[in-house]
Amino acid sequence: DGGITQSPKYLFRKEGQNVTLSCEQNLNHDAMYWYRQDPGQGLRLIYYSQIVNDFQKGDIAEGYSVSREKKESFPLTVTSAQKNPTAFYLCASSKDRANYGYTFGSGTRLTVV
Amino acid sequence: DAKTTQPTSMDCAEGRAANLPCNHSTISGNEYVYWYRQIHSQGPQYIIHGLKNNETNEMASLIITEDRKSSTLILPHATLRDTAVYYCIVRLPSGTGTASKLTFGTGTRLQVTL
Repeated sequence: DGGITQSPKYLFRKEGQNVTLSCEQNLNHDAMYWYRQDPGQGLRLIYYSQIVNDFQKGDIAEGYSVSREKKESFPLTVTSAQKNPTAFYLCASSKDRANYGYTFGSGTRLTVV
Repeated sequence: DAKTTQPTSMDCAEGRAANLPCNHSTISGNEYVYWYRQIHSQGPQYIIHGLKNNETNEMASLIITEDRKSSTLILPHATLRDTAVYYCIVRLPSGTGTASKLTFGTGTRLQVTL
């Protein structure tokens, strides 16, 4: 079955370490997105990519980096510059059309200690 | 993208219809209305979307007012598994018919009770 996979589901890191979250989709979707969610809050957009080798900053890109070398993959790196990295991270993909919905992964819960 | 306004929370008895309102008074003519829901600690799930006409699928119905300034998501027979946060979002094509990003608010927390 086609879908979008995020791994790992839970991730623990020490403060000051970079960490990379994986997101893979086999839906042949053009666009991919990373969101962050804090407890009791809505989703905030970190980065998005509409095509391979191109991506744009979202609303809260500081302290994060991404790459889009393959259509299927859109990894997110949380760098040591991110002041408050503990959060629930969600990846999504979509065909790049306004009348097409997003498919979300199941999320990665990152805890920095 | 246009802003949306939703009630913070709602309750619904199991088996009854759940009607979730959304105001989007600044919506423009080519913005779609989308509904997603998020069950605790999971990724959001797409429910339905529409532009002008009412829409129905196996999950829900979407009623959009004639002036498009508001919409209602209807879950016809709510079950306990429908307890979730429901997000109403408007989405504008980014200029060439391609997609703009989705902007999520805080949604409506629907609690379905016995």
